[in-house]
Amino acid sequence: EVQVVESGGGLVQPGGSLRLSCSASGFIFSTYWMHWVRQAPGKGLVWVSHINNDGSYTTYADSVQGRFTMSRDNAKNKAYLQMNSLRAEDTAVYYCVRGDSHWFSNWGQGALVTVSS
Amino acid sequence: QSALTQPRSVSGSPGQSVTISCTGTSSDVGVYNYVSWYQQYPGKVPKLMIYDVNKRPSGVPDRFSGSKSGNTASLTISGLQTEDEADYYCCSYAGTYTWVFGEGTKVTVL
Repeated sequence: EVQVVESGGGLVQPGGSLRLSCSASGFIFSTYWMHWVRQAPGKGLVWVSHINNDGSYTTYADSVQGRFTMSRDNAKNKAYLQMNSLRAEDTAVYYCVRGDSHWFSNWGQGALVTVSS
Repeated sequence: QSALTQPRSVSGSPGQSVTISCTGTSSDVGVYNYVSWYQQYPGKVPKLMIYDVNKRPSGVPDRFSGSKSGNTASLTISGLQTEDEADYYCCSYAGTYTWVFGEGTKVTVL
């Protein structure tokens, strides 16, 4: 069974940093793109970042470019999202998602990130 | 990276059909056949319903169908059922390995 599990969410002050982790199982992790998608409370889904299968190429939404960094460790079947210079508007549930071609096939349960003083 | 435009809400009676539109631009929906749709119940994880404009993953009822014309994609739910009441989001590939979601549509079964 395909499983994706996020961890590392929590409360952080504005300007602070946080790293989310995503543990994958049930599929050959190194052959899939991975994404982060977020959803602010009561709001819609927003694509945040993507990483290719070997980790050599990443892309980001304009709203997080230069502040967030996505990476992966295929030996550990894990993906990460390093979030720096956090703002109140980054408060959201962050989903780690397996990508299949150009769609999002398997979603984790999400990790809540709250940016507040 | 502006969000795709969806109606805030649509509604229908059981057994009726409803269609949700998803309007983008010639840089996303209009140029790529990579539109997908997701169903999300309150407090739950999104679920893939349609990919590549009109393909259904296994397990998704065939009353869900997708289409596209120009810069607008559509999701049609035929034979509406009470369990179809949820939020629906479209998503399009927008080039250079970026994606954009729609604003979301709440489907209400009357």
